[in-house]
Amino acid sequence: SYEVTQPPSVSVSPGQTASITCSGDKLGDKYACWYQQKPGQSPVLVIYQDSKRPSGIPERFSGSNSGNTATLTISGTQARDEADYYCQAWDSSTHVVFGGGTKLTVL
Amino acid sequence: EVQLVQSGAEVKKPGESLKISCKGSGYSFTTYWIGWVRQMPGKGLEWMGIIYPGDSTTRYSPSFEGQVTISADKSINTAYLQWSSLKAPDTAMYYCARLKEFSSSSGFFDYWGQGNLVTVSS
Repeated sequence: SYEVTQPPSVSVSPGQTASITCSGDKLGDKYACWYQQKPGQSPVLVIYQDSKRPSGIPERFSGSNSGNTATLTISGTQARDEADYYCQAWDSSTHVVFGGGTKLTVL
Repeated sequence: EVQLVQSGAEVKKPGESLKISCKGSGYSFTTYWIGWVRQMPGKGLEWMGIIYPGDSTTRYSPSFEGQVTISADKSINTAYLQWSSLKAPDTAMYYCARLKEFSSSSGFFDYWGQGNLVTVSS
């Protein structure tokens, strides 16, 4: 079955750029999306189809996907962006595949 | 406004059965797949399965096939997740979510319910 892998944690200073990666075999041939989950809350979609932002998501969130890696980039990271981030790929046979999640710390 | 409203928290004993629900509103319930996602305490998201309420077609994750049953009643815009015999490791938060763009190449969850906390303890 298809799998994707994320780093368990990423740290960033306020105002700097955070990059969270998601790796999988030929992931660039599939669509990837990203969810943000804050403690005690439901996940929120922040990027879909590799690089599209849903309505209401700040422009500082962006995404890319090429080769074996999808990347969520947060520019000008704010304290409010501290959360767990999950990538999700779509596979034609497995359907939904979640990464293990990355805890973003803003310090 | 699209909303998915889930039934409340549940506390059950091992061996008991349970059916939790997810009611959709603000969109055509029968034309979007609904998915169920498990999150065990302190852990990540796990996809359990999806259902198309229009004709109740289901797809299960291999990890959950045979362990749970996903169903829907389109007359009341509600999807369900049920267990016939709960175990302590079923203790988790369970989310329903609307699947957008089900195709051979794309699928993502654009709206999520508030979650059902299920606690299984003797």
